[in-house]
Amino acid sequence: SQTIHQWPATLVQPVGSPLSLECTVEGTSNPNLYWYRQAAGRGLQLLFYSVGIGQISSEVPQNLSASRPQDRQFILSSKKLLLSDSGFYLCAWSVTEDNEQFFGPGTRLTVL
Amino acid sequence: AQKITQTQPGMFVQEKEAVTLDCTYDTSDQSYGLFWYKQPSSGEMIFLIYQGSYDEQNATEGRYSLNFQKARKSANLVISASQLGDSAMYFCAMREGTGRRALTFGSGTRLQVQP
Repeated sequence: SQTIHQWPATLVQPVGSPLSLECTVEGTSNPNLYWYRQAAGRGLQLLFYSVGIGQISSEVPQNLSASRPQDRQFILSSKKLLLSDSGFYLCAWSVTEDNEQFFGPGTRLTVL
Repeated sequence: AQKITQTQPGMFVQEKEAVTLDCTYDTSDQSYGLFWYKQPSSGEMIFLIYQGSYDEQNATEGRYSLNFQKARKSANLVISASQLGDSAMYFCAMREGTGRRALTFGSGTRLQVQP
C-alpha cells in the first residue's frame, strides 16, 4: 500500500531564516506530487505541483520554492521566511491528474 | 466569485442520525470532479468520496454519499448514522477541466457529533 510521509511535524522558525520541508511517498512510482498551504481556519491553497523529477509548476507567486530531486521526494524551501509563511503545509500525491489526491500528515510552521 | 461555497461554518448532529453538509460550485467546464475530504483535529486530510461530472449515479462510500445535483451545481455530502469519530472539519473541493491539477477547496464545515 502507498504511504506518504512529511517532516518535521512542527517547526518554529524566526523571520528571515531558511526553510526546508520534506515529503516522501512510498509504494508507488511516478506520482503527481503537490504542496498545499492551509491558513488557520481556512481551506487549502495549492502552492506547487510536480509531474516528474525536476518538473515543478508554481500556482501562486511567493517567496517559497519547490524541488523534486527524486521520483518520490518533494521538497518545499525558502531562503528567508516571512511572518505570512506561517501555516499548515500539506503534501499530497495522486496517480494521475484526474485521480483523488492523498495527503500526508502535514507540517505546522510558525514563523516568529 | 468563489469556486466552492460551503455555507455552513458549523453543524451539530446527534449520534446515529444523518447529516447533510452543503457544497455548491461554480465552473464553466463540462468536465470536472468533486471531492470531499475530512480533516480531524490531527490535521491530516482524509479523502472520503469523489463524483465526476459525467457520472450519472450519486457516489457512495460506506456511510458517505454524495447528493449530486448538476443543474443546481451542488454536491452535498450525506453522512448516515453519525458516529462520534465523525467530528471534524469537512472540505468540499473541485478539480476543473482536464489537465488541471489543482484542487480548489471550500472554506470547510466543522461537524460536531453529540452523544
